[in-house]
Amino acid sequence: NAGVTQTPKFRVLKTGQSMTLLCAQDMNHEYMYWYRQDPGMGLRLIHYSVGEGTTAKGEVPDGYNVSRLKKQNFLLGLESAAPSQTSVYFCASEGQGSTDTQYFGPGTRLTVL
Amino acid sequence: RKEVEQDPGPFNVPEGATVAFNCTYSNSASQSFFWYRQDCRKEPKLLMSVYSSGNEDGRFTAQLNRASQYISLLIRDSKLSDSATYLCAVNSNNFNKFYFGSGTKLNVKP
Repeated sequence: NAGVTQTPKFRVLKTGQSMTLLCAQDMNHEYMYWYRQDPGMGLRLIHYSVGEGTTAKGEVPDGYNVSRLKKQNFLLGLESAAPSQTSVYFCASEGQGSTDTQYFGPGTRLTVL
Repeated sequence: RKEVEQDPGPFNVPEGATVAFNCTYSNSASQSFFWYRQDCRKEPKLLMSVYSSGNEDGRFTAQLNRASQYISLLIRDSKLSDSATYLCAVNSNNFNKFYFGSGTKLNVKP
């Protein structure tokens, strides 16, 4: 039982390049989230999904797109990377129980030059 | 006003000390509360849930004060390994209503 996994762990991009971050969970959770974490800023929600085939915008969605084609996977895309997107990206999943909480993947460190 | 607020610290304490953090939340309808621990360059990991009746796990005690809208985390007999950032999280049980504090940094020194 791996929980939440993320690939890649590290990536360096040049401005304007694109990439996709993959998040996978094996807990059969309905809800999945993408956050970014910057020094002194805490976790900021980018996009989230409440189920297969559905996505919605979070607090800081600009410059990102997401897809949830399969329940266990949640993809985050950067179409044209900018230096302001240099950050650590965390994926999380959450069950539907009233006391469920979010479980995080190990993160992806992205640097945009 | 932020949904969840924490003192960023750092709290610098000697080994063996008792230290407490508070976290205030703004939505009185919030239903679930949690403390996470985050080590440097790692993901947040669930430390403990916070129940209305309080919750104790070894040296850690979490409490909820609904009237004043805050949760607390008490660490007794601090260890060097407790050094980390502690995030509180509040859930109003809507899928997009899960809020994290920015974290409180704890440094336990020999």
